[in-house]
Amino acid sequence: GENVEQHPSTLSVQEGDSAVIKCTYSDSASNYFPWYKQELGKRPQLIIDIRSNVGEKKDQRIAVTLNKTAKHFSLHITETQPEDSAVYFCAASFTGGGNKLTFGTGTQLKVEL
Amino acid sequence: EAGVAQSPRYKIIEKRQSVAFWCNPISGHATLYWYQQILGQGPKLLIQFQNNGVVDDSQLPKDRFSAERLKGVDSTLKIQPAKLEDSAVYLCASSPGQGGEQYFGPGTRLTVT
Repeated sequence: GENVEQHPSTLSVQEGDSAVIKCTYSDSASNYFPWYKQELGKRPQLIIDIRSNVGEKKDQRIAVTLNKTAKHFSLHITETQPEDSAVYFCAASFTGGGNKLTFGTGTQLKVEL
Repeated sequence: EAGVAQSPRYKIIEKRQSVAFWCNPISGHATLYWYQQILGQGPKLLIQFQNNGVVDDSQLPKDRFSAERLKGVDSTLKIQPAKLEDSAVYLCASSPGQGGEQYFGPGTRLTVT
């Protein structure tokens, strides 16, 4: 089955700096890669996703890049703000096989003033 | 549109007792997922329904966990008997189809003592 590794487990940045979180996956059939933000005690919320036919996707301050050959994808947050502080999860799935999401272990991002 | 609803939000039981969780997906969403999220980890899929049929239950501990989605709308997840290691947040998610974004409910936090 799919295995997703995520690094780093914790990340502390100064407000205004950029943050990068990296994930690798094992199943070359995976073709859908969402990123979820989870604040303490809240539900995971999708912030951006990318499909395997695209190498990069951007939405305002967040962007995701995908390298299918190396089987890794990354989340980039620019101009970080205190409200970006949360746990971020990457995930991977094969949409032709039911879209079962396999999640990474999460990154605790802390944006300091 | 209304989001995914779950109840109860919190539940405390003793080991060997039974417990049931309820989920009402977003109206019209054919696919429903139950995830288990242990503290400090990413969500792990327990079972996936497409309408009222099971698509994937490979990670469901079937000796103690059961789930149903009668009529292809609401779903219940049951644990009987509970073990200490079942302490976790149980998240329900739904999506319009098998390849679309998954929307998560608020979760049920289960504590087994």
